Amino acid sequence: QKEVEQNSGPLSVPEGAIASLNCTYSDRGSQSFFWYRQYSGKSPELIMSIYSNGDKEDGRFTAQLNKASQYVSLLIRDSQPSDSATYLCAVTRYTGNQFYFGTGTSLTVIP
Amino acid sequence: KAGVTQTPRYLIKTRGQQVTLSCSPISGHRSVSWYQQTPGQGLQFLFEYFSETQRNKGNFPGRFSGRQFSNSRSEMNVSTLELGDSALYLCASSSAGMYNEQFFGPGTRLTVL
Repeated sequence: QKEVEQNSGPLSVPEGAIASLNCTYSDRGSQSFFWYRQYSGKSPELIMSIYSNGDKEDGRFTAQLNKASQYVSLLIRDSQPSDSATYLCAVTRYTGNQFYFGTGTSLTVIP
Repeated sequence: KAGVTQTPRYLIKTRGQQVTLSCSPISGHRSVSWYQQTPGQGLQFLFEYFSETQRNKGNFPGRFSGRQFSNSRSEMNVSTLELGDSALYLCASSSAGMYNEQFFGPGTRLTVL
């Protein structure tokens, strides 16, 4: 079983819609959760971090964490063509522990 | 604050050669992690250095090695290059503080011919 699993997609949504990206993890001891965005040919860029159960909002992005279900998601509201990228989910236990990355979900926002 | 820098950005080598990649973390960050990214395997963790000590290690052969200097700059070395080593090599730095966020550099694109 992989440490972090994501639906590879591709996920396509029309411009202005809500894009929903999901991630599950296997280690119940995981404490820190991150979403990265990676454009083709570029390096991953941190867009959200979340550490406690519930929702965390930052602009058009909302991260949701449910530790009981070992599930973390990213919602992108009012999706724009510039949001078209691969989104990587990452988890780690605590400072000093290795990060585990999912394989990423490819998102395309159709104008 | 300047971001993570990596040099060189592109490298072309032939099988059997060795290569050294360099990473300068964000000022004040003491943790540096290295990853290999290929289309088929995604992001694979190589190793992490903190205060000049290797703290975590991924599942890569001994041909892959690294080190960290007292100024937190890090290098990774790959000896006896194989065709399968062609990849984007990414370095990420972290303050290793409470929130442990990692920030990536632009990467080094290595092509092995």
